[in-house]
Amino acid sequence: AQTVTQSQPEMSVQEAETVTLSCTYDTSESDYYLFWYKQPPSRQMILVIRQEAYKQQNATENRFSVNFQKAAKSFSLKISDSQLGDAAMYFCAYASFSGNTGKLIFGQGTTLQVKP
Amino acid sequence: DVKVTQSSRYLVKRTGEKVFLECVQDMDHENMFWYRQDPGLGLRLIYFSYDVKMKEKGDIPEGYSVSREKKERFSLILESASTNQTSMYLCASSLSRRVGNTIYFGEGSWLTVV
Repeated sequence: AQTVTQSQPEMSVQEAETVTLSCTYDTSESDYYLFWYKQPPSRQMILVIRQEAYKQQNATENRFSVNFQKAAKSFSLKISDSQLGDAAMYFCAYASFSGNTGKLIFGQGTTLQVKP
Repeated sequence: DVKVTQSSRYLVKRTGEKVFLECVQDMDHENMFWYRQDPGLGLRLIYFSYDVKMKEKGDIPEGYSVSREKKERFSLILESASTNQTSMYLCASSLSRRVGNTIYFGEGSWLTVV
């Protein structure tokens, strides 16, 4: 079974600086999707960025980018020019092609604090 | 924009009560999910459904059941609530079973069982 691990329960960053959130996963599959979701204090979770494993190029969405290391099974999220609105809990998630269900397996989450 | 609406944001129920958590999505999505969120554990899948009247167990289905009589509505049922079911419950939906689809979440339902 696949697992996702976020080893940093809490992180903090100064406004305008860069922060990296870590995520590792365990799988025997060769193709899959990885995601980062953001859950602001209002609680509605939203998609930040996604990466398909067979694509070697790291995904980027504005100030958010990932460092996908397939061999190391690592999928970190870099937030550049951090803003107060980036304060949230961030979840890393894995989607398997097995069974074709579309369901996600989540990590434990990392709470990001942004200091003014 | 996709909207996933969970009708109850905060509930307090007594041990042994039957509890219904309702979820409605407005984008004709095929897939719907119920997750449970606990500190330090992240989100864990309880049940999901990819069609009307279809359901599949997730990772922690014990003590829960679900109902999907209409495509837009997915209900989570706690047959006899227990204190260890005190948690945040998140409903979600996605367009289809295609892997990689964006999953859209509701705002969550905080359930306290006393």
